[in-house]
Amino acid sequence: GAGVSQSPSNKVTEKGKDVELRCDPISGHTALYWYRQSLGQGLEFLIYFQGNSAPDKSGLPSDRFSAERTGGSVSTLTIQRTQQEDSAVYLCASSLSLNYEQYFGPGTRLTVT
Amino acid sequence: QKEVEQDPGPLSVPEGAIVSLNCTYSNSAFQYFMWYRQYSRKGPELLMYTYSSGNKEDGRFTAQVDKSSKYISLFIRDSQPSDSATYLCAMSAVPGNQFYFGTGTSLTVIP
Repeated sequence: GAGVSQSPSNKVTEKGKDVELRCDPISGHTALYWYRQSLGQGLEFLIYFQGNSAPDKSGLPSDRFSAERTGGSVSTLTIQRTQQEDSAVYLCASSLSLNYEQYFGPGTRLTVT
Repeated sequence: QKEVEQDPGPLSVPEGAIVSLNCTYSNSAFQYFMWYRQYSRKGPELLMYTYSSGNKEDGRFTAQVDKSSKYISLFIRDSQPSDSATYLCAMSAVPGNQFYFGTGTSLTVIP
């Protein structure tokens, strides 16, 4: 069946602009996660949703980052006033519920110039 | 100290070798342990997950957890060139909550 999809696959933006990254989880998966992967840094947890609710937003790097999920499905990660240090691959994962098998999308490669 | 430590490698082995990949961690509350494989410019792919201590085998892959030593391993038997990738360990204390990832070990299997 269809896996987790993310769009766009690549995004180049100028410093100071806002960007929106989209994640379509596997159908029926109630839990959704956002991560950031920088070269040599591993995966950095950003936020997770159970349904439309995000119980813990402490992983978001700054108040320029926000995320929402609507209809228990699609999620959007928004970065306002992008900075060069925001350049990374943003990965989304989903799981059937709050179990442990997270399935990842291909990621969005964000470059801030 | 990082929550999860993983040797970045790179690790290079001949085809057919047994590969051992390892992670150590500091948080004794971790109970859920996962291994992911990530090919270049792709998302991580779940290989194995285990709960608490013990071994789990799936084909050529075996995951081991030693909670007393705070040490987990992934063994790959009869390694193949297609196993060449970065391997990430991950762990969590609470199901569905924050997962802590290692930085990944880069593996190359030489034909």
